[in-house]
Amino acid sequence: AQSVAQPEDQVNVAEGNPLTVKCTYSVSGNPYLFWYVQYPNRGLQFLLKYITGDNLVKGSYGFEAEFNKSQTSFHLKKPSALVSDSALYFCAVRVLSGSARQLTFGSGTQLTVLP
Amino acid sequence: DTGVSQDPRHKITKRGQNVTFRCDPISEHNRLYWYRQTLGQGPEFLTYFQNEAQLEKSRLLSDRFSAERPKGSFSTLEIQRTEQGDSAMYLCASSPGQGDQPQHFGDGTRLSIL
Repeated sequence: AQSVAQPEDQVNVAEGNPLTVKCTYSVSGNPYLFWYVQYPNRGLQFLLKYITGDNLVKGSYGFEAEFNKSQTSFHLKKPSALVSDSALYFCAVRVLSGSARQLTFGSGTQLTVLP
Repeated sequence: DTGVSQDPRHKITKRGQNVTFRCDPISEHNRLYWYRQTLGQGPEFLTYFQNEAQLEKSRLLSDRFSAERPKGSFSTLEIQRTEQGDSAMYLCASSPGQGDQPQHFGDGTRLSIL
């Protein structure tokens, strides 16, 4: 079984400040991790992924994520938040090996960047 | 690359009616996925196709739900005898057939059951 927890339903941050959106995961085997962003009435947009390699992954729009195997975490970060970053963020996981392709998503974190 | 296209964007129907949604994946993408998203939740996996073969099905996909991808290109998701609990956003995604590439999502079909 695989699962994702996003412990914060809502994160507020001032424009220009750094932001962190938290994610922890559980998977049997090596994880394949993703962050997606969703704007109102739209589908999910891919931000970044982690398979193997460097624990710090860089993605779209200045976002990055840090993989921590011992803490089973994959937190999303950005050094300087923009008002336009305000959206719903989802962390997702699947096991890397095998033929299963389904992603398991967290419940989402609403990010609000205040001007 | 024109993105994943879903039709219709919105569907309102009465309980008990049948509905069908269509998804056109990104061309050259062999893998196609359906997810369901209810308000305040993340997407939940429904089913997955590799070309025309349906390889994975979730327990969420009751016998009222059926998905097809007859020629390995577009896909349809049909819900028979709709119930109030079927109200949700139905998302389609696609990814290339080789390697571990991310899934790219369409904008979804929002289903409302009266």
